Amino acid sequence: QVQLVQSGAEVKKPGSSVKVSCKSSGDIFRSYAISWVRQAPGQGLEWMGRIIPILGTASYAQNLQGRVTMTADKSTSTAYMELRSLRSEDTAVYYCASESGIVAAASFYYYMDVWGKGTTVIVSS
Amino acid sequence: DIQMTQSPSSLSASVGDRVTITCRASQTISSYLNWYQQRPGEAPRVLIYGATNLQNGVPSRFSGSGSGTDFTLTISSLQPEDFAAYFCQQSFTAPYTFGQGTKLDIK
Repeated sequence: QVQLVQSGAEVKKPGSSVKVSCKSSGDIFRSYAISWVRQAPGQGLEWMGRIIPILGTASYAQNLQGRVTMTADKSTSTAYMELRSLRSEDTAVYYCASESGIVAAASFYYYMDVWGKGTTVIVSS
Repeated sequence: DIQMTQSPSSLSASVGDRVTITCRASQTISSYLNWYQQRPGEAPRVLIYGATNLQNGVPSRFSGSGSGTDFTLTISSLQPEDFAAYFCQQSFTAPYTFGQGTKLDIK
């Protein structure tokens, strides 16, 4: 099964940017999509967006529009998530997850079935 | 955006108990509902997709039901490894929102 290996923890200043990588042990373009989910300390899961590698198209959560960019590099089977203009509220564990799709009862369902271990990003002055 | 509301937010139970967690969507999502389990310090893992379909490798004591706006996750007989947080997520339309989570701990 595909494994996702994420880059290491980061400490950033407010106003700076962070770029988190997510390397797949298999062909990342075989995934239906790569999603990014974050979790602030002691909080729930927040869907940030996803990229469909084979199309190169990405969609983002409205509250992150303009600050986030998700990309995928076929040559290295690596997905990236860049978040700009960092604020203290962006302190969180950032997960990448590969989505699978399956047909069941004549409908197409997709879900995040392989997750990276997470990357801690701390934003502090 | 579709809002997902889980209840309860926390739950105490004993090994062997049957527990049910509910998830309500703010609008109909057909059966586009996934359930995830997250143990402390770990990444989430999918338990149920499409509201009722058990992911490969997940024990059969887990089951999901519902469609439209109301969904449930049931654990038929709690095991020690089931004490964790559970999240529902809709995959009907972006943004693919999560519920706020249910923390299940030992009574």
